[in-house]
Amino acid sequence: IAGITQAPTSQILAAGRRMTLRCTQDMRHNAMYWYRQDLGLGLRLIHYSNTAGTTGKGEVPDGYSVSRANTDDFPLTLASAVPSQTSVYFCASSALAGDPGELFFGEGSRLTVL
Amino acid sequence: GQNIDQPTEMTATEGAIVQINCTYQTSGFNGLFWYQQHAGEAPTFLSYNVLDGLEEKGRFSSFLSRSKGYSYLLLKELQMKDSASYLCAVWESNYQLIWGAGTKLIIKP
Repeated sequence: IAGITQAPTSQILAAGRRMTLRCTQDMRHNAMYWYRQDLGLGLRLIHYSNTAGTTGKGEVPDGYSVSRANTDDFPLTLASAVPSQTSVYFCASSALAGDPGELFFGEGSRLTVL
Repeated sequence: GQNIDQPTEMTATEGAIVQINCTYQTSGFNGLFWYQQHAGEAPTFLSYNVLDGLEEKGRFSSFLSRSKGYSYLLLKELQMKDSASYLCAVWESNYQLIWGAGTKLIIKP
C-alpha cells in the first residue's frame, strides 16, 4: 500500500540520548514535513523539505535536524533529547512544494523522553 | 499574530447534523483545510477551500468567508465513526500550514 512509513512507532528515551525518527514515502512526492503534536496545541512544523537536497526550518526547529538525501527518505534527528521533546511526531508529504494541497501523514511516532 | 480558534469539544447525536466553526487571524491566506483525526491515528484530508462559499462532498461540507476570517465544517447524518478530532488549518505564506488545536467531536447513540 502506497504511503508514508514511520519508525519507530513508539520509543522511550533517556534524556541526553540521540534519536533518529525514520520516514519513508513511496509516492514520489516532492515536499516532506515533520510535525509534532502536543495535547491542546495544533500541529507544529519542525522542519520541511521542498525537494531532495534542500531543507528548511519550521516553527519549532530547535533541538532537531533533518536531511533529505533522496526523494523518499526524510529522517528527523534529536541530537540530545530533552523531556520537552516528549510528543507525537508525524511525518507528512505533499505532491508539490509551495502548494500543500493534500498532506499525507504517516501513522506517527510516539516519543517519551525521561 | 497568527491564531486559529476552534471549540475544544462538541457532542452530537447519531443521525443529526453538527457544525464545527473555525476562525483565523493569519498574516497571509492561500486556503483553508479541514482534516479528520481519529484517536491514535494520523490526520486525513477532508476538504480545501480557497474561494468564499460552500464546498460539498457527500455528508461533509465546508464553508469559507475570507472577509470574516471564518470557516465551518458541516457534518450531516452523523455516524458513530465520525467520532474524531477535526483540525482546521490555514495555508499561510512561505509554504507553511498554521493548525488549530482541533475539535474533539463525540457522537452519542
